[in-house]
Amino acid sequence: DTAVSQTPKYLVTQMGNDKSIKCEQNLGHDTMYWYKQDSKKFLKIMFSYNNKELIINETVPNRFSPKSPDKAHLNLHINSLELGDSAVYFCASSSLAGVETQYFGPGTRLLVL
Amino acid sequence: QKEVEQNSGPLSVPEGAIASLNCTYSDRGSQSFFWYRQYSGKSPELIMSIYSNGDKEDGRFTAQLNKASQYVSLLIRDSQPSDSATYLCAVNMVGQAGTALIFGKGTTLSVSS
Repeated sequence: DTAVSQTPKYLVTQMGNDKSIKCEQNLGHDTMYWYKQDSKKFLKIMFSYNNKELIINETVPNRFSPKSPDKAHLNLHINSLELGDSAVYFCASSSLAGVETQYFGPGTRLLVL
Repeated sequence: QKEVEQNSGPLSVPEGAIASLNCTYSDRGSQSFFWYRQYSGKSPELIMSIYSNGDKEDGRFTAQLNKASQYVSLLIRDSQPSDSATYLCAVNMVGQAGTALIFGKGTTLSVSS
């Protein structure tokens, strides 16, 4: 049983395109997150959702828009992709925002050409 | 700017030795502290969590927390080559918009056989 799953695992696309990454968790958690891990392996929070509501929105360009249709899903849509968006994007979930353990998905490797 | 600091390494130890990984954090209000292990190309996985001052042991791993010094450490006893990975320290930090985990940049551990 996969606790936190993401699709796709790999995404190669051209600059200027729009793409989406999907995340689902079957842990019954209330809080979900998107992290970006850059080429230097630095893992940084982008967004946090609690029960479908946005609670954290770090300094992220408006081209990134998260959407949570229900508390088990958190998708990330990226408009007008840029070279600097190339990174690994991890989805995570936890039972209590920022306090309890976060469980990570396998990551989506995005390469913008 | 709330920060989590780790030595990037690499930290090299021989098989069977003790590996000591250190982390300092800037937010005195932090309540939850985590050590994650990340193998190359994989997602972070939880090794230890610690919430109160002192030591917490789990198998070959011991986490130590000193809130007065704003310091967290991870000791790995009887290090094995399979322990070779990047170890990420994560600390919860409360901001205006909610609570998030802030990650350090990670320490790369190499265990030689």
